[in-house]
Parts: sequence; structure tokens; C-alpha cells
Amino acid sequence: AQKITQTQPGMFVQEKEAVTLDCTYDTSDQSYGLFWYKQPSSGEMIFLIYQGSYDEQNATEGRYSLNFQKARKSANLVISASQLGDSAMYFCAMWVNDMRFGAGTRLTVKP
Amino acid sequence: DADVTQTPRNRITKTGKRIMLECSQTKGHDRMYWYRQDPGLGLRLIYYSFDVKDINKGEISDGYSVSRQAQAKFSLSLESAIPNQTALYFCATSVGSGGLKETQYFGPGTRLLVL
Repeated sequence: AQKITQTQPGMFVQEKEAVTLDCTYDTSDQSYGLFWYKQPSSGEMIFLIYQGSYDEQNATEGRYSLNFQKARKSANLVISASQLGDSAMYFCAMWVNDMRFGAGTRLTVKP
Repeated sequence: DADVTQTPRNRITKTGKRIMLECSQTKGHDRMYWYRQDPGLGLRLIYYSFDVKDINKGEISDGYSVSRQAQAKFSLSLESAIPNQTALYFCATSVGSGGLKETQYFGPGTRLLVL
């Protein structure tokens, strides 16, 4: 069975600072994909970044990077230079045969 | 225009009523999905379809049914709504075939309240 765990229900970060959102996963499959989504207060789900299980380098997309530690089964999202608009729910997800989501972390950026 | 649309956006219904939520997409994707979101539980997969002739149960399919009328349309039905089906429902699509192609693109969501 596949499982995604996000242990931080809420996080605070000062504007312009970096923040790391934790995600651990569990699967016995060797081939899988890891995704992060952002859900602002308006409710839509926005795709941020993807990491494949065979990718050797950590994924980066602008201010987002994914700290992929395969042996530890972790896929943490790092947001650099936080902005007020980064305040949102963030979901980690894993694809094996279908997509499973974690419970999410609510990030609040303080001015 | 939005690539993935959901109708209605909001719905209030009574216990025991049958309701249908509809999803349409213009992305040309083969794969479509229905999720529900409850506070503190993230998104849970209800049903998914990899093409018009393929329908699969997800994590929480009991009490729900789906219909894939065309590549672009995927409907979710609650046969006899109950209050604990009150949730935010999302439709999503993907190209499929592994890797980054499994990235899912979401509709705006339907807020359902069952009284």
C-alpha cells in the first residue's frame, strides 16, 4: 500500500526567508512519482513541482525545490525567499498506480 | 476559458436525493479523476478513468458512481446523498503513461452540502 505523510499541520515563515515543508512516503514500488501542489484560500489546486523516483538530481522550479532523499523516503519542498502570496495549503502527493495525497501543511507567511 | 470545468460550483441537497456532479475538459487528456477533500484529510480518490472504456474504483468509492460519457466528460453521481458526503469535490485530468505525464490538472471544485 502507498502512503504519504505530512507531519506539519501548520508552519509560519517570515517574508523573504526560506521554508521547508516535510513529506515522507511509503511504497514498495521502485517506480513512482512525487508531486507538490499548492491550494490558496480560493480553493484551486496548483501543480508546483515533480520528482521521479529514478531522477538523480533534485527538481527545481523557480523558487521551489524538492529535497529528494530516496533512502529516507522523503520529498521535502523548499520554498526560497517566501512571499506573502505563498500563504496557502501545500499538499505532497505520490503516484504509483494512482495518486495519493498527504493531509497537507498550511503555510502562513508573515510580513 | 478554463481547461477543466466543473458544474455546479456549489450545491445544497437533502439526505436521500440523487445528485450528479459534472466535469468537462478541453486539455485532450485521456485520464480523468474524481476526488473529495475533507478538512485535515487531504484529497481522497473516489474513481478514476484511464479512457472512455476504463473505470476504476479509488480509495473511497462506496456511495458513489461515475460515468465517462466521452473523452472530455466524466460525471460523478451520489445515488442517495448522506450528510457525511458533504465535502469539496475535485475533478482532475492527466495525460498519463508515467512520470511527469501523471501530473494532474484540477478543476475549480464543487462545494456540496448535504442536509
